[in-house]
Amino acid sequence: NAGVMQNPRHLVRRRGQEARLRCSPMKGHSHVYWYRQLPEEGLKFMVYLQKENIIDESGMPKERFSAEFPKEGPSILRIQQVVRGDSAAYFCASSPAQVLNTGELFFGEGSRLTVL
Amino acid sequence: SQQGEEDPQALSIQEGENATMNCSYKTSINNLQWYRQNSGRGLVHLILIRSNEREKHSGRLRVTLDTSKKSSSLLITASRAADTASYFCATDRGSGYSTLTFGKGTMLLVSP
Repeated sequence: NAGVMQNPRHLVRRRGQEARLRCSPMKGHSHVYWYRQLPEEGLKFMVYLQKENIIDESGMPKERFSAEFPKEGPSILRIQQVVRGDSAAYFCASSPAQVLNTGELFFGEGSRLTVL
Repeated sequence: SQQGEEDPQALSIQEGENATMNCSYKTSINNLQWYRQNSGRGLVHLILIRSNEREKHSGRLRVTLDTSKKSSSLLITASRAADTASYFCATDRGSGYSTLTFGKGTMLLVSP
């Protein structure tokens, strides 16, 4: 019974390159959340998606960041033209329904992005 | 500022002692959750307490919620070295669909 799978676990990019982070939710889960964690900080909400829909992207930077959760395949967090300030751990979480109703989020192990 | 803010930021105790962490929040909530994060790992859900509950237990964990003070506490009894981790409270925003907002966490170090 696989949990939330994120890959890559570690990613190194040079400034200006693109970073793509993938997340496969737990089996049976249709809601995906992306969070960013800076060193020594808590998690900052970025975006909440359901299949083929972005429900809440209030935490996403206005430029360079995008997310999708297609009908088939994993959710993708895409960061274009990365800068050093994008270096962080990016966590994906999933839930079977709205967290308001079920409460618990199931987290992946994170993807750690380092921008040189 | 954070919807959920934990204190202390760091806590160092000996094995066998109890550890108490606190969380304050600002807006109304439906529930409050506590998560644990081991260094370099993802978050793991520990316990959820609903807004109409005042106290909840799970094994060595005890959570309290005071909605009038907008605060919660997590007590870990008889701590073990394996409890060393960061602990985060998370709250929803109390209306409609909701995402969780996390505090900055309390880093707990339990020494053998």
